[in-house]
Amino acid sequence: DAGVIQSPRHEVTEMGQEVTLRCKPISGHNSLFWYRQTMMRGLELLIYFNNNVPIDDSGMPEDRFSAKMPNASFSTLKIQPSEPRDSAVYFCASSHPSGGAHEQYFGPGTRLTVT
Amino acid sequence: DQQVKQNSPSLSVQEGRISILNCDYTNSMFDYFLWYKKYPAEGPTFLISISSIKDKNEDGRFTVFLNKSAKHLSLHIVPSQPGDSAVYFCAASAIRGGADGLTFGKGTHLIIQP
Repeated sequence: DAGVIQSPRHEVTEMGQEVTLRCKPISGHNSLFWYRQTMMRGLELLIYFNNNVPIDDSGMPEDRFSAKMPNASFSTLKIQPSEPRDSAVYFCASSHPSGGAHEQYFGPGTRLTVT
Repeated sequence: DQQVKQNSPSLSVQEGRISILNCDYTNSMFDYFLWYKKYPAEGPTFLISISSIKDKNEDGRFTVFLNKSAKHLSLHIVPSQPGDSAVYFCAASAIRGGADGLTFGKGTHLIIQP
């Protein structure tokens, strides 16, 4: 398997623009997680899905952030409008319950820079 | 309020010696603990885990110890190798047997010196 795939790997945008990050989980995994890593706060959970349904979005910082999972093989994280403080590395992870639901497999991340 | 704490931002160990990375947690609901390893420009990679019903789990050179009464866990790497140089994250989860988001510590940068 190719592992968790994220695109783009790097994104540079101007303040106020819309940003869409994409994730393809490992085939057969039914849970998907979005995390954000910053120097100040470390790795934080933003939102996660089970069977394409959002379960907990309490980590989403503001209404500017939204996430969707239209099917089992694709998820998006959208920021609209983007702000400089959104600059971070965004990771997507997936897991499979029979493999130990807590063992999540991470993608390579998307480094977002908002100027 | 940090629920998972790694108080050592960095640790330097000689090759061949034992590396001990520490982690403390405050949430009594956590029942599953994991260690992840991260190289620059890559995502975290799962290393080893332990359930709260155990106090030790071993996998090759890696052993994780859990002290529930002290809310403390540690990762032992022996012998340490140059390829072990990376950032190590401690993580915890509160739902046994079900998918749940992980709460991470801020990481410890392990440097293995030749």
